Amino acid sequence: EVQLLESGGGLVQPGESLRLSCAASGFTFSSYAMSWVRQAPGKGLEWVSAISGSGGSTYYADSVKGRFTISRDNSKNTVYLQMNSLRAEDTAVYYCAKDLRPATAPFDYWGQGTLVTVPS
Amino acid sequence: EIVLTQSPGTLSLSPGERATLSCRASQSVSSSYLAWYQQKPGQAPRLLIYGASSRATGIPDRFSGSGSGTDFTLTISRLEPEDFALYYCQQYGSSPRTFGQGTKVEIK
Repeated sequence: EVQLLESGGGLVQPGESLRLSCAASGFTFSSYAMSWVRQAPGKGLEWVSAISGSGGSTYYADSVKGRFTISRDNSKNTVYLQMNSLRAEDTAVYYCAKDLRPATAPFDYWGQGTLVTVPS
Repeated sequence: EIVLTQSPGTLSLSPGERATLSCRASQSVSSSYLAWYQQKPGQAPRLLIYGASSRATGIPDRFSGSGSGTDFTLTISRLEPEDFALYYCQQYGSSPRTFGQGTKVEIK
């Protein structure tokens, strides 16, 4: 059974940093790209960042480029999101999500999400 | 960036009725890389449809997707009580992988 378990969320002050983790199980982790998707309170979904299965390619939304860094440790089946210079508008539930297949694909599994709160 | 616009914003229907949700893209979605997700309060999204018309594993056949290019549709043939939720479309053919703003299907 595929499971994705996020951790690391919490309350941080503007300008501070936070690292989110997503521990995966139930599939061959290194074969699949992984993404982070966020959802501000009462708002829609926003794709944040993605990383290829090998970790060699990374992608970012313009809203986080230069502040957030995605990485993965395939030996630990874990993907990370390092978030620096946090802003109030980064407040959201952050989900990690797995691609359906190794090539261009939607997200077939999502974690339960972890809440990041940055007060204004 | 491909902008996805969903309509209507809210759909008020009764159980047993047919729901038709629209997703329009600002430019052509390559190879019909268009997906639909369902989200209920307090839960993560669930993949319903990918490739514009392929049902994900375990999704009932009352859910169907159609369309190509810039116009896509999610149809729920007969609404069950558990289908009242938020629905998002997403294009995953180009980066950034954008989502529509969502359509809420509510009980009339």
